[in-house]
Amino acid sequence: DAGVTQSPTHLIKTRGQQVTLRCSPKSGHDTVSWYQQALGQGPQFIFQYYEEEERQRGNFPDRFSGHQFPNYSSELNVNALLLGDSALYLCASSPGTTGNTIYFGEGSWLTVV
Amino acid sequence: AQSVTQLDSQVPVFEEAPVELRCNYSSSVSVYLFWYVQYPNQGLQLLLKYLSGSTLVKGINGFEAEFNKSQTSFHLRKPSVHISDTAEYFCAVSDRNTDKLIFGTGTRLQVFP
Repeated sequence: DAGVTQSPTHLIKTRGQQVTLRCSPKSGHDTVSWYQQALGQGPQFIFQYYEEEERQRGNFPDRFSGHQFPNYSSELNVNALLLGDSALYLCASSPGTTGNTIYFGEGSWLTVV
Repeated sequence: AQSVTQLDSQVPVFEEAPVELRCNYSSSVSVYLFWYVQYPNQGLQLLLKYLSGSTLVKGINGFEAEFNKSQTSFHLRKPSVHISDTAEYFCAVSDRNTDKLIFGTGTRLQVFP
């Protein structure tokens, strides 16, 4: 059973560009969350998707947007990239009810130059 | 709102020695508590979680944690560490109505031979 898979694993973008990161949740999971982990910091919650709707959002600007598809996979889009957006972006999936184990992917390393 | 404080940014320890990684949290509502481990260049792996019931929780790789409601703490312990335990450890909380995780800033456990 594949766990949470993310792509790409590494990418480099220029300031002002746009990026799309992708995530496939663990089989049987319908809820996908995205986290940003800056170097030396703990992960910060960006937003969560359930039934193709954004259910919760953290303290991130509108430049960060997402989407969930009918097969529960998800995308994270970041527009007008800033140097400070350089981080590890983690996707997490869960079966939708609280208290269950939340599984994380290995992340996408984004470097903005 | 919830917050998590990990009191030690780094913990050096010799192999086979015991270790305790400290975590305190703040919340106005009942929470679930988690410890995750992150090995270099990898995503997060759940070590253990507290949902309810017994305050002593056992996890993978010989780790355990004790929930102390009066002190709002959830310290992680292992009686004898191995070189392979060298990693970053994150304490996290979520309220009982959501899967949104709030993480601490992490503790770097360095095990020396």
